Amino acid sequence: GESVGLHLPTLSVQEGDNSIINCAYSNSASDYFIWYKQESGKGPQFIIDIRSNMDKRQGQRVTVLLNKTVKHLSLQIAATQPGDSAVYFCAEKRGTGFQKLVFGTGTRLLVSP
Amino acid sequence: DAGVTQSPTHLIKTRGQQVTLRCSPKSGHDTVSWYQQALGQGPQFIFQYYEEEERQRGNFPDRFSGHQFPNYSSELNVNALLLGDSALYLCASSPVRAGGPETQYFGPGTRLLVL
Repeated sequence: GESVGLHLPTLSVQEGDNSIINCAYSNSASDYFIWYKQESGKGPQFIIDIRSNMDKRQGQRVTVLLNKTVKHLSLQIAATQPGDSAVYFCAEKRGTGFQKLVFGTGTRLLVSP
Repeated sequence: DAGVTQSPTHLIKTRGQQVTLRCSPKSGHDTVSWYQQALGQGPQFIFQYYEEEERQRGNFPDRFSGHQFPNYSSELNVNALLLGDSALYLCASSPVRAGGPETQYFGPGTRLLVL
């Protein structure tokens, strides 16, 4: 079935800590994964993506890790800041050619000063 | 460079009415996807338009229909509104290029409330 789930609905960290948000997916045929950040009242904002032929990708303060063996995805945020407080979604691309993104329910990240 | 824009930002309708939501894609993008996001949930794929045709559709009834115009902008129409249609409706655009998936960029959404 279709499911992209998250292990923790809420994650609370202190400013400056590193944050790790996890995601499990069920479709082993998915070949593209994206992390989005959604602040209250706004649309999802692209953070970083990774293709299934990779196991790690780094951006500015963020790293995505992909473990296809256990169908697990994680987003690591270094030196978390109050501005990182938001809901984070992982999404997987289903289907060939045209894209259909399947989202999980999200993890809320709360960063305390 | 303008991102994805949507209108209106908020809308209140009553059951049984019809609604039209609008989306302008990011410059250089020609594919538009629509998603429905219920409160506390992740976005759910409704359908995707490319070259003015619906190319993929999620598990939504025929009450949900759409259109794409020659300038790549798009409309989402919902007929016979139900209370359960209350949600944030998101538009996402992406370019179509050969060789792999392209990132979808989202607009701010239209908040629809059905009373």
